[in-house]
Amino acid sequence: DSGVTQTPKHLITATGQRVTLRCSPRSGDLSVYWYQQSLDQGLQFLIQYYNGEERAKGNILERFSAQQFPDLHSELNLSSLELGDSALYFCASSVARVPHEQFFGPGTRLTVL
Amino acid sequence: DQQVKQNSPSLSVQEGRISILNCDYTNSMFDYFLWYKKYPAEGPTFLISISSIKDKNEDGRFTVFLNKSAKHLSLHIVPSQPGDSAVYFCAASDTGGYQKVTFGTGTKLQVIP
Repeated sequence: DSGVTQTPKHLITATGQRVTLRCSPRSGDLSVYWYQQSLDQGLQFLIQYYNGEERAKGNILERFSAQQFPDLHSELNLSSLELGDSALYFCASSVARVPHEQFFGPGTRLTVL
Repeated sequence: DQQVKQNSPSLSVQEGRISILNCDYTNSMFDYFLWYKKYPAEGPTFLISISSIKDKNEDGRFTVFLNKSAKHLSLHIVPSQPGDSAVYFCAASDTGGYQKVTFGTGTKLQVIP
């Protein structure tokens, strides 16, 4: 158990819908990262927050947004969903501002029908 | 543009022998490298890392080698055990700049008893 929790574990929705994925980092970790893993793909970095502020941005679509709240939990919002958004979404956390060792949650499997 | 490449999607090794997983990168700004291990239905787990100021880092059965001139790193597992069977991701970051972590596509290691 990494100490990072993600909810829900599974999510099935339809095209055009909007969903919110939630992540609680390990106690004491200030950085939260979001990744997308599509079938047979590596982990694609989406976005990083550090202590509530956006720190780095990767290949995140404009239809996706994220935020980190004062209690350090984070939410990833995916809107106008397309079939291609079906993937595993991982959240990770780390103590530092720089992305050294990260602790990953178990992931949320999103299926868009 | 795949800045971190793991050209072998899979590798099979006999129990007790050495497993060598390879990773190449193209971005000369990367200065910190990590290996993660991932079992099915779980998030990746940090394994070992190396800074660009070193060329070797060892932790038990796991050793990472870095060849900066060739932009190549490798993970050696000796001796390999069946429990090592998993997908291994190589990752790299530029801690002084953009700081996002770039992952490779992974190598699936199977250790045969």
